[in-house]
Amino acid sequence: GNSVTQMEGPVTLSEEAFLTINCTYTATGYPSLFWYVQYPGEGLQLLLKATKADDKGSNKGFEATYRKETTSFHLEKGSVQVSDSAVYFCAPAPRFGSQGNLIFGKGTKLSVKP
Amino acid sequence: EPEVTQTPSHQVTQMGQEVILRCVPISNHLYFYWYRQILGQKVEFLVSFYNNEISEKSEIFDDQFSVERPDGSNFTLKIRSTKLEDSAMYFCACQGVRAGELFFGEGSRLTVL
Repeated sequence: GNSVTQMEGPVTLSEEAFLTINCTYTATGYPSLFWYVQYPGEGLQLLLKATKADDKGSNKGFEATYRKETTSFHLEKGSVQVSDSAVYFCAPAPRFGSQGNLIFGKGTKLSVKP
Repeated sequence: EPEVTQTPSHQVTQMGQEVILRCVPISNHLYFYWYRQILGQKVEFLVSFYNNEISEKSEIFDDQFSVERPDGSNFTLKIRSTKLEDSAMYFCACQGVRAGELFFGEGSRLTVL
């Protein structure tokens, strides 16, 4: 089945620093790829997605590019803000034939200091 | 913007008691899910539900758990006899199309004493 490996957290950065959170996946075929974010005390919400190779998903200054050759979907942001402090989850779409449940890892906790 | 609503936001219960967690998914969505997150742990898939039946479930979803959609709008998770290790945040999610984006509720925190 599909699986994902995310860099371990926590990640602590100063405001305006550059962020990279690595994500690699294993999957059958070429699934859609998602980044979800969980702000403190809230549920998960979609941050961005990419549906095919070389697609770049972007939202709120975050970007991730679907790299088929390295099976990666690393999350980047050029200048983080305190409000970006959250837990970030990378998830490939489910394997072909399954019913659609996403498999999440532990996530990467990001803390941004002023 | 459509949203997924969960109640209660927090429930405290005694071990062995039954608990029902409720969810109102987005109205035209067809696929429904429950996930849970033990404090500090990963988000774990419990069960998926489509066309009024369970379509997939994880090892966590044992005989103590059940789901139903009693009235076409609510989607409930029942834990028959709670255990200490059931303490977690439970998230309901729904999906308009298979393998598309999941929309999550804000979660119901369950504390079992």
